[in-house]
Amino acid sequence: EDKVVQSPLSLVVHEGDTVTLNCSYEVTNFRSLLWYKQEKKAPTFLFMLTSSGIEKKSGRLSSILDKKELSSILNITATQTGDSAIYLCAVARYGGSQGNLIFGKGTKLSVKP
Amino acid sequence: DTAVSQTPKYLVTQMGNDKSIKCEQNLGHDTMYWYKQDSKKFLKIMFSYNNKELIINETVPNRFSPKSPDKAHLNLHINSLELGDSAVYFCASSPLGGAATDTQYFGPGTRLTVL
Repeated sequence: EDKVVQSPLSLVVHEGDTVTLNCSYEVTNFRSLLWYKQEKKAPTFLFMLTSSGIEKKSGRLSSILDKKELSSILNITATQTGDSAIYLCAVARYGGSQGNLIFGKGTKLSVKP
Repeated sequence: DTAVSQTPKYLVTQMGNDKSIKCEQNLGHDTMYWYKQDSKKFLKIMFSYNNKELIINETVPNRFSPKSPDKAHLNLHINSLELGDSAVYFCASSPLGGAATDTQYFGPGTRLTVL
């Protein structure tokens, strides 16, 4: 069965710290890996990583895909209280289930002032 | 303007009732989805739908049915509601074709509580 596993499940840090969130997957017909940030409501898109784009960066956030290790990390540097959220990793596949993302259970990040 | 919208935001109802949740997207996307997020925040696909194909997650009870009056709308109808249906339901949409399909935009969610 296809699955996406995130670790840690929760994390508490102080402002200014750097954090690394992990995502590993076992998926047939892998196409892309996505990171989302979920605060109180809808998940909002952060990054999509494919074999043709294995590293992405936006401000203090960056993400790397390791296709050999079937994993990805999301780094947040100089964390701020506004980074507090649940970070979701999802994987998309080719084939009959195309478009159906498989989500991990998320990492809950709490940034203390 | 909200790209993906859902109504209602909150829905409280009795067991056994039938209810619908509406979703609209103004992004011009071809594919729409319904997800269920349980109390542990686990987000799971229920349906994906474009004008050609409905893909149903086989674990979804047939009490749940998506209805699409047009490309911009995908409503979720639920019959004979059960306590276990209580969750937050998210609608999402994406373009059709290639890796762009993978970038899905989510609505604000509908919190359904079944009493």
